[in-house]
Amino acid sequence: AQTVTQSQPEMSVQEAETVTLSCTYDTSESNYYLFWYKQPPSRQMILVIRQEAYKQQNATENRFSVNFQKAAKSFSLKISDSQLGDTAMYFCALMNRDDKIIFGKGTRLHILP
Amino acid sequence: DTGVSQNPRHKITKRGQNVTFRCDPISEHNRLYWYRQTLGQGPEFLTYFQNEAQLEKSRLLSDRFSAERPKGSFSTLEIQRTEQGDSAMYLCASRPTSGGASNEQFFGPGTRLTVL
Repeated sequence: AQTVTQSQPEMSVQEAETVTLSCTYDTSESNYYLFWYKQPPSRQMILVIRQEAYKQQNATENRFSVNFQKAAKSFSLKISDSQLGDTAMYFCALMNRDDKIIFGKGTRLHILP
Repeated sequence: DTGVSQNPRHKITKRGQNVTFRCDPISEHNRLYWYRQTLGQGPEFLTYFQNEAQLEKSRLLSDRFSAERPKGSFSTLEIQRTEQGDSAMYLCASRPTSGGASNEQFFGPGTRLTVL
């Protein structure tokens, strides 16, 4: 069975600080993709960052970076210099070859002014 | 706006009634997906289409649910004899599969269904 687990239901950090969101997953596939999606309040879900499992190098998108530990099946998201606009639900997600995305339950992130 | 659009954005219905939602994907996106998101949970896969062909249905999709994409463009999701447990946000997503496309799925704003 494929599962995605986010152990932090809610987090709060001060603006400009760095925050790390945790995610672990389980899959029997060797080729898969991992994602972090952001869902702002009452707004649609957008992709933050993507990691292909066959790539050892951790993905980076501006202030967002991941720590991908394939052996440990861990995929954490680091947000540097956090901004008020980063306040949202963040979902860790897994996609195998079957093209279906399995989402975690999410982490609600509050950036405090 | 050329993103994924969904209508209606909100639907309130009484138990036992039928409802239909519509999703318009991004133009030329041949894959279209439906997900359901209940309060406090992440989205769960329901079904997806490659053009007009429905490729897979989740076990979550009971016989009361049906989805179509008749011309390979927009899609509809119908729920018959709604139950209170059907109350959720229904999300649609799309992506292209050709032209060097990535596997990113682009999500719509969702349709929030409340069954009284």
